Amino acid sequence: AQSVSQHNHHVILSEAASLELGCNYSYGGTVNLFWYVQYPGQHLQLLLKYFSGDPLVKGIKGFEAEFIKSKFSFNLRKPSVQWSDTAEYFCAVNPMEYGNKLVFGAGTILRVKS
Amino acid sequence: AAGVIQSPRHLIKEKRETATLKCYPIPRHDTVYWYQQGPGQDPQFLISFYEKMQSDKGSIPDRFSAQQFSDYHSELNMSSLELGDSALYFCASRLSADGYTFGSGTRLTVV
Repeated sequence: AQSVSQHNHHVILSEAASLELGCNYSYGGTVNLFWYVQYPGQHLQLLLKYFSGDPLVKGIKGFEAEFIKSKFSFNLRKPSVQWSDTAEYFCAVNPMEYGNKLVFGAGTILRVKS
Repeated sequence: AAGVIQSPRHLIKEKRETATLKCYPIPRHDTVYWYQQGPGQDPQFLISFYEKMQSDKGSIPDRFSAQQFSDYHSELNMSSLELGDSALYFCASRLSADGYTFGSGTRLTVV
């Protein structure tokens, strides 16, 4: 079945460590790609999105993601994490052939130790 | 800036009762989506509306129905509630090729 895969369900890092969260999808054709963050007790917030153009996308709070079409990947990165980045991160894909719905990955829980 | 408004924020219902969740999209957004997020799970797509017509349907149980009204707000109606319906229900709105904006969600607890 076509899906969105996030490789790590739990990640624990120390402050100032670098972060990379993997996301792969199995849809062919044109896709729109998103990363959302959900802080404890809060709703989903958009970190960044990719529709077309430069495959390196910069988002809010120092996050960036790189779309590698040949690898069907859209990994999220941040050079130096902070304690306040502790949250759950969802990769989401909008496969254009399936209309406008978003398909979410299972999420990655990031805990940053101070 | 205006956001997506959902009401109520919290709802407690007993088994077999009904519940109605409301979503008010960002002004001028023409598409509304409903998602269900169970405890510790990723959001699952339920249903969407574009210009007041159902545009897509996901894993929405037959006990649930939804509609979008002339003012673009949407309501998710849930009947014969089951314990497994306890979840966070997100509404999101979108305008054409823009990103999605999510509401804060309604936390439904079925007891």
